[in-house]
Amino acid sequence: DAGVTQSPTHLIKTRGQQVTLRCSPISGHKSVSWYQQVLGQGPQFIFQYYEKEERGRGNFPDRFSARQFPNYSSELNVNALLLGDSALYLCASTGQMDEQFFGPGTRLTVL
Amino acid sequence: AQSVTQLGSHVSVSEGALVLLRCNYSSSVPPYLFWYVQYPNQGLQLLLKYTSAATLVKGINGFEAEFKKSETSFHLTKPSAHMRDAAEYFCAVSAMDTGRRALTFGSGTRLQVQP
Repeated sequence: DAGVTQSPTHLIKTRGQQVTLRCSPISGHKSVSWYQQVLGQGPQFIFQYYEKEERGRGNFPDRFSARQFPNYSSELNVNALLLGDSALYLCASTGQMDEQFFGPGTRLTVL
Repeated sequence: AQSVTQLGSHVSVSEGALVLLRCNYSSSVPPYLFWYVQYPNQGLQLLLKYTSAATLVKGINGFEAEFKKSETSFHLTKPSAHMRDAAEYFCAVSAMDTGRRALTFGSGTRLQVQP
């Protein structure tokens, strides 16, 4: 079975630009979460979606937004990029026991 | 609200020695607890989880962890370290809070295994 997939793998943007990251959950999983992992730190929760509805939001500015599609895939959008947005962005899908399975991540570099 | 503290940002052991990575949590409601491993330039892999069943949890790659409510701890152990265990380890807690089960992670412990 395929795991969580994310695209693109790497991305380089400049300050002020906008970026869209994509995630496909494990087949059968209806919940997707997004995390930001800055170098040297643990992941920080950004959003969780369940059946296209936002279930939770972490302490991130409104420049961050997300959505989930009918096929349960998800997009994370970040507007007006700042240098501090450089990080590994992780997507996770939730199993039946509330465990979260992570994808390989998208490495975003903001110059 | 919940939080996780991982004691020791770096742990170094010899190959074949006991691995002990420490995690203490804080949660106002019964928690679910997890250990993840992250290899360089990769995502996180679930090692094991505690979801209010048995307090001693066995995971993959020979790792296990024991939930101790009185000590609010969930330490990760492995009897004999292998070179391939060298990686970053994260402890995480989740709790039902207004309907979400977001994970709150610790800051991680980098495990080095010396030959």
